[in-house]
Amino acid sequence: AQSVTQLGSHVSVSEGALVLLRCNYSSSVPPYLFWYVQYPNQGLQLLLKYTSAATLVKGINGFEAEFKKSETSFHLTKPSAHMSDAAEYFCAVSEPGNTPLVFGKGTRLSVIA
Amino acid sequence: EPEVTQTPSHQVTQMGQEVILRCVPISNHLYFYWYRQILGQKVEFLVSFYNNEISEKSEIFDDQFSVERPDGSNFTLKIRSTKLEDSAMYFCASRGLAGLINTGELFFGEGSRLTVL
Repeated sequence: AQSVTQLGSHVSVSEGALVLLRCNYSSSVPPYLFWYVQYPNQGLQLLLKYTSAATLVKGINGFEAEFKKSETSFHLTKPSAHMSDAAEYFCAVSEPGNTPLVFGKGTRLSVIA
Repeated sequence: EPEVTQTPSHQVTQMGQEVILRCVPISNHLYFYWYRQILGQKVEFLVSFYNNEISEKSEIFDDQFSVERPDGSNFTLKIRSTKLEDSAMYFCASRGLAGLINTGELFFGEGSRLTVL
């Protein structure tokens, strides 16, 4: 069964600094990988996804993630943090077919002025 | 842009009462899901539904839970006799097919917050 590990339940960065949120996955077949963002009291919004095309995936709001099969990782990055990026970020994995998404525990990103 | 809508946004109920949470998935989607998120915890899969039947369910989805698609648009989650530990945010999601390729992306609603007293 697939699983996701997000390292760090809380990450704090200064405004303008690099954002790096870590995600490692486990899957028995080539996976689909996702990053979702959840703003306070809101639902889950898709940031970006990897579905076996380009390994470097660009998403909304300047975020990108790189799929590294050798490291079983799908870390999320953004070159320069903005105050509006403060939210909870969830990495998720699924396998081709009608398999449900499996989420990591989430990483709360705080951005300090 | 099509979206998944959920009602109610917040429901408060007494322990032991029945609760029905409603969802209207995106109209051309075929797969439907319920997830829950207990406050401060991860998003957990409950159940998936396809072709008018449950296709997969988690250990959380016990006999107290049921799902139904009573018409062509609504998708409901029923909790027969709520417990304190059912207090959570419940998310509905749907997924369609892009041609023959299923990219796996789920589209989520805003959630229904359930508080059991």
